[in-house]
Amino acid sequence: DAGVTQSPTHLIKTRGQQVTLRCSPISGHKSVSWYQQVLGQGPQFIFQYYEKEERGRGNFPDRFSARQFPNYSSELNVNALLLGDSALYLCASSRAPSSYNEQFFGPGTRLTVL
Amino acid sequence: GQQLNQSPQSMFIQEGEDVSMNCTSSSIFNTWLWYKQDPGEGPVLLIALYKAGELTSNGRLTAQFGITRKDSFLNISASIPSDVGIYFCAGQASGNTPLVFGKGTRLSVIA
Repeated sequence: DAGVTQSPTHLIKTRGQQVTLRCSPISGHKSVSWYQQVLGQGPQFIFQYYEKEERGRGNFPDRFSARQFPNYSSELNVNALLLGDSALYLCASSRAPSSYNEQFFGPGTRLTVL
Repeated sequence: GQQLNQSPQSMFIQEGEDVSMNCTSSSIFNTWLWYKQDPGEGPVLLIALYKAGELTSNGRLTAQFGITRKDSFLNISASIPSDVGIYFCAGQASGNTPLVFGKGTRLSVIA
């Protein structure tokens, strides 16, 4: 079975631009979470979606938004990019929102903002 | 955002040595998790702990949920070169709260 997939792998944007990152969960997983991992830090929770509904939101500005589609894939959108948004964006999927013992991470999308 | 206090920040050890790292929080957690992250990949879950005082092993890895519920420990016995990577602790305060991660411990193994 395929693991969590994310696209694109790498992305370079300039300040003020907008970006959309995509995530496909493991088959059968209905919960998707997004994390931001700045270089040298641990992942920081951004959003969690379950059954297409937002179940949690971390301490991130409104420039960050996300959605989950009927097939449980998800998109993370970031508007008005800042230099500080440069990070590895990780997607993780699980069967249910708190099933962390069976939550699997994708390889991430490396975003660089110039 | 909140991050757990994880130490040491980095370690250089000889192959075959044992490794210990720990994670502390100012608040109580109901779940502690330990992950390993290799370059270019997402974190992979190593051990999950759900009860204060719990001691759980996964091969050469052993983790403990501190009895105060504010800390956790990970030990790796007889380290090998493939143990190289960054180890993260993560905690969850309750069923409705998100995971909070530590800053990681970077492990290097010298053959």
